Amino acid sequence: DSGVTQTPKHLITATGQRVTLRCSPRSGDLSVYWYQQSLDQGLQFLIQYYNGEERAKGNILERFSAQQFPDLHSELNLSSLELGDSALYFCASSVAGPYGYTFGSGTRLTVV
Amino acid sequence: AQSVAQPEDQVNVAEGNPLTVKCTYSVSGNPYLFWYVQYPNRGLQFLLKYITGDNLVKGSYGFEAEFNKSQTSFHLKKPSALVSDSALYFCAVRDGGSGAGSYQLTFGKGTKLSVIP
Repeated sequence: DSGVTQTPKHLITATGQRVTLRCSPRSGDLSVYWYQQSLDQGLQFLIQYYNGEERAKGNILERFSAQQFPDLHSELNLSSLELGDSALYFCASSVAGPYGYTFGSGTRLTVV
Repeated sequence: AQSVAQPEDQVNVAEGNPLTVKCTYSVSGNPYLFWYVQYPNRGLQFLLKYITGDNLVKGSYGFEAEFNKSQTSFHLKKPSALVSDSALYFCAVRDGGSGAGSYQLTFGKGTKLSVIP
């Protein structure tokens, strides 16, 4: 157990629907990062939050949004889902300083 | 902007042989370098990191990595490969800034390592 908790582990939904992915960071970590991993695109950075504030945006679609709450957990909202959104979505957390990330085990989203 | 290149999509090695997974980087200032491993349907797990100090860094599961500043490389190595080492390996870099919440890791595309029995 890495200490980063992602729910749900698996999600199957239809095109056009909206889903919410949840992430609880490791205790003490203030930064949360969201990544999308698909077979053809590799590991794509979506967005970063630090202590409740958005800090960086990557290749995140306008149909996607995220937020970090006062208790530091984060949610990634995906709307108007398309078949191409099927992927593994990872959350990672970190502390300030020369450290890397701790990753959760991911949410596998399948859009049918 | 920082970047990472993993020139090999796949590396095949026989069990018991030494393995090398290559990584080169580009970053302004001093680099912080990382290797992660991903097993099927799992998240990325930290293997090792280089921050400063000795150019040879030792990590988990018998892996090590050699930092070469002149060649801007950070190759992952293991003296004797195991079948259980078969996985996807990612190299990552960040710059040396330490402002709270201000850095992101940039990942390579990953290298699939297959260790053949």
